[in-house]
Amino acid sequence: DAMVIQNPRYQVTQFGKPVTLSCSQTLNHNVMYWYQQKSSQAPKLLFHYYDKDFNNEADTPDNFQSRRPNTSFCFLDIRSPGLGDTAMYLCATSRDQGGLETQYFGPGTRLLVL
Amino acid sequence: AQSVTQPDIHITVSEGASLELRCNYSYGATPYLFWYVQSPGQGLQLLLKYFSGDTLVQGIKGFEAEFKRSQSSFNLRKPSVHWSDAAEYFCAVGAFPTGANNLFFGTGTRLTVIP
Repeated sequence: DAMVIQNPRYQVTQFGKPVTLSCSQTLNHNVMYWYQQKSSQAPKLLFHYYDKDFNNEADTPDNFQSRRPNTSFCFLDIRSPGLGDTAMYLCATSRDQGGLETQYFGPGTRLLVL
Repeated sequence: AQSVTQPDIHITVSEGASLELRCNYSYGATPYLFWYVQSPGQGLQLLLKYFSGDTLVQGIKGFEAEFKRSQSSFNLRKPSVHWSDAAEYFCAVGAFPTGANNLFFGTGTRLTVIP
């Protein structure tokens, strides 16, 4: 029944140790997004894929990368996590781009960097 | 630049009481406005959205929101709150300069419902 699935739900990693977060969707949507939400802050868009086209936000650190091997899956790779990367990471999808499209969110992965 | 302000960090209401959550936005063009709810351990769920037309928008779970251009506001209301409405509520404005679906969120309002 779940439409946007994120794994793991909780992740603890060490400073500088690469980590990968996973998102999958059963909606067959063209667009997938990754947001970062720090404690008591608004979710902030990191990047999104429109099909295979990758779109990076201007202020997303180079430390954050993403892969989308197929329509269903999208990964967030943090190459060398810092303490400041502790946050909730939200994945979302939409059928298409544009303002009329609703974004569907997963439950998020809570990442703790020690 | 677009931005969203939710002035109330935390609101407590009694079950059965009415609710209004405030949202103010800043955006140069006609905004696309959204309200999302996030229950503990859950993802964000869309409550309602406004693009154009009737300024009073009906959503799911008995929520409604009113777009007031003169006040740059999009406040969320519910006439009678249920205990299951306890959650975090996010207002968002969409910026679609290039067709991408970029949402800019407020910092959220946490709603507590007391018996």
